[in-house]
Amino acid sequence: QQQVKQSPQSLIVQKGGISIINCAYENTAFDYFPWYQQFPGKGPALLIAIRPDVSEKKEGRFTISFNKSAKQFSLHIMDSQPGDSATYFCAATLIGTPLVFGKGTRLSVIA
Amino acid sequence: DAGITQSPRHKVTETGTPVTLRCHQTENHRYMYWYRQDPGHGLRLIHYSYGVKDTDKGEVSDGYSVSRSKTEDFLLTLESATSSQTSVYFCAISVQGRGGYTFGSGTRLTVV
Repeated sequence: QQQVKQSPQSLIVQKGGISIINCAYENTAFDYFPWYQQFPGKGPALLIAIRPDVSEKKEGRFTISFNKSAKQFSLHIMDSQPGDSATYFCAATLIGTPLVFGKGTRLSVIA
Repeated sequence: DAGITQSPRHKVTETGTPVTLRCHQTENHRYMYWYRQDPGHGLRLIHYSYGVKDTDKGEVSDGYSVSRSKTEDFLLTLESATSSQTSVYFCAISVQGRGGYTFGSGTRLTVV
């Protein structure tokens, strides 16, 4: 049973455009939703995270939008740059349990 | 990655041999995790630890065992390696068992 479904698998965006990655979860008890960024040959690194008591969180060019009723959350990358090219993972957890990850989205930002 | 190191970084081993991967942290974090990463599957939890000698199974624990005799070290053992265990293995640490994980740089394991 896949607890966090992530889409799309891959994404190509023009430089300066908006990248959007979506995730849906099943367990309504989840209460923490992070996004991780991974560059080739490196481990994933925490990018931004949100809790379900807010609908949006913004950090620089990165924004998480959260829809509790739809059990969905998404990552928006504004003004996408070639340096943003990486694999992005959404994840979810509830207290006392390990993170459950989506399958990842490979983002390519082309000039 | 600062505070967490994995060894070896690369390993090629033969089918049927035991293999041990090591994760070492200098952060004194209570929680440690082993994930494997495979194309199309993302990151899947193998085992995790919530303290010395306290471990639990994850989603894909069959064929793997772990040990944690010291806070700083978390060992993953493939008891008899199979080709299906060819993967990139990541260790992660966490202060509170939730929130931001810090990942190591990974071990690329090839079973031939």
